[in-house]
Amino acid sequence: NAGVTQTPKFQVLKTGQSMTLQCAQDMNHNSMYWYRQDPGMGLRLIYYSASEGTTDKGEVPNGYNVSRLNKREFSLRLESAAPSQTSVYFCASSEALAGGWNSPLHFGNGTRLTVT
Amino acid sequence: AQSVAQPEDQVNVAEGNPLTVKCTYSVSGNPYLFWYVQYPNRGLQFLLKYITGDNLVKGSYGFEAEFNKSQTSFHLKKPSALVSDSALYFCAVRDSWSSASKIIFGSGTRLSIRP
Repeated sequence: NAGVTQTPKFQVLKTGQSMTLQCAQDMNHNSMYWYRQDPGMGLRLIYYSASEGTTDKGEVPNGYNVSRLNKREFSLRLESAAPSQTSVYFCASSEALAGGWNSPLHFGNGTRLTVT
Repeated sequence: AQSVAQPEDQVNVAEGNPLTVKCTYSVSGNPYLFWYVQYPNRGLQFLLKYITGDNLVKGSYGFEAEFNKSQTSFHLKKPSALVSDSALYFCAVRDSWSSASKIIFGSGTRLSIRP
């Protein structure tokens, strides 16, 4: 089982460029999440999707958009990248709706993004 | 709104000694609490979760967590630390009342075990 797969693993952008981070899970989970990890800040929730067809803002949504393309895929888009978006981005999924609210998150290996 | 705090950026423990990594939370409804571990240059791995009614829950790699409702805490513990336990640990909370799908993480605690 691949679990949660994120692409790309690394990316360097110039300020103002756009890009989409891809995430796919093969565990038939309903809920998917995007977090960013910065030193000293822990993981901060950007957006999440409780189920296919729904998306909601998290703690730090500004500058990002998301698309829940289908049950498997949840993409994160930076329309105009800024240096403040330099971070490591993690996608995660959970079977919370079906498995109960104490179902854990399953994480991808992350995308390291640098914006110059 | 839910929140979670890890008051210690770093915890240093000698190998063989007990360890505690602290976590406090705030939720409107019933808490769903989790601990995750991150080894260098890796993603996050699930360690354990709170089970309603159990004040002491056991998880992977010999870790356990103590739930205290009155102190709104969910501290991670291990009776005897190993050097291989050195990693970054995150506490996370899901609120059963508002937007139950939303999961918030603490800022993380770096655990360093010296030989």
